[in-house]
Amino acid sequence: DAKTTQPPSMDCAEGRAANLPCNHSTISGNEYVYWYRQIHSQGPQYIIHGLKNNETNEMASLIITEDRKSSTLILPHATLRDTAVYYCIVRAPFRNTDKLIFGTGTRLQVFP
Amino acid sequence: EAGVAQSPRYKIIEKRQSVAFWCNPISGHATLYWYQQILGQGPKLLIQFQNNGVVDDSQLPKDRFSAERLKGVDSTLKIQPAKLEDSAVYLCASSPSLAGGEPRHGYTFGSGTRLTVV
Repeated sequence: DAKTTQPPSMDCAEGRAANLPCNHSTISGNEYVYWYRQIHSQGPQYIIHGLKNNETNEMASLIITEDRKSSTLILPHATLRDTAVYYCIVRAPFRNTDKLIFGTGTRLQVFP
Repeated sequence: EAGVAQSPRYKIIEKRQSVAFWCNPISGHATLYWYQQILGQGPKLLIQFQNNGVVDDSQLPKDRFSAERLKGVDSTLKIQPAKLEDSAVYLCASSPSLAGGEPRHGYTFGSGTRLTVV
């Protein structure tokens, strides 16, 4: 089962920051938080990941709370092309590898 | 680097027929995954390979689904016989990460095969 909880949908005005929350209250100490997005008719696309420190890359910022039970993905200046389903995932070690278990995600609609 | 290649892009079959999907992962990626994504839902992991061995197939309906990854590179996923509820997008992903340490890379997904069973 997915170990994350996300709101089913959010809206954001173009040019504004989009803040997508995620709850992962049962996360273990060695599990990473990953964010992916899926634009219609495409495969999921990697955005960013983190363990306990805040992270930033060219696409987004990831803020992880100190207790690691929740995180927020920030798209600083949303554009219409950011309209997609965003998945927050806990990447868990599994046997000698790991696995990604997707939840239902948040459908972000960016409007003009 | 080239992405994960999948074919065909679309497939329409009648129920009880068989179908096969092909995936070519990123060169050098040890781990390969097949996901099923039903419309409106998140991807569901079907099977996971590490090189040419199966790591996890607990969610694979083994009475009708089968998958193989001969030589630890390409993989095929087969459905025989297909049911109406198998209509979905089948996604292949690959990853270079192995046990332990920080997984520096995310998974890379292909564009998927959209299967319609009528």
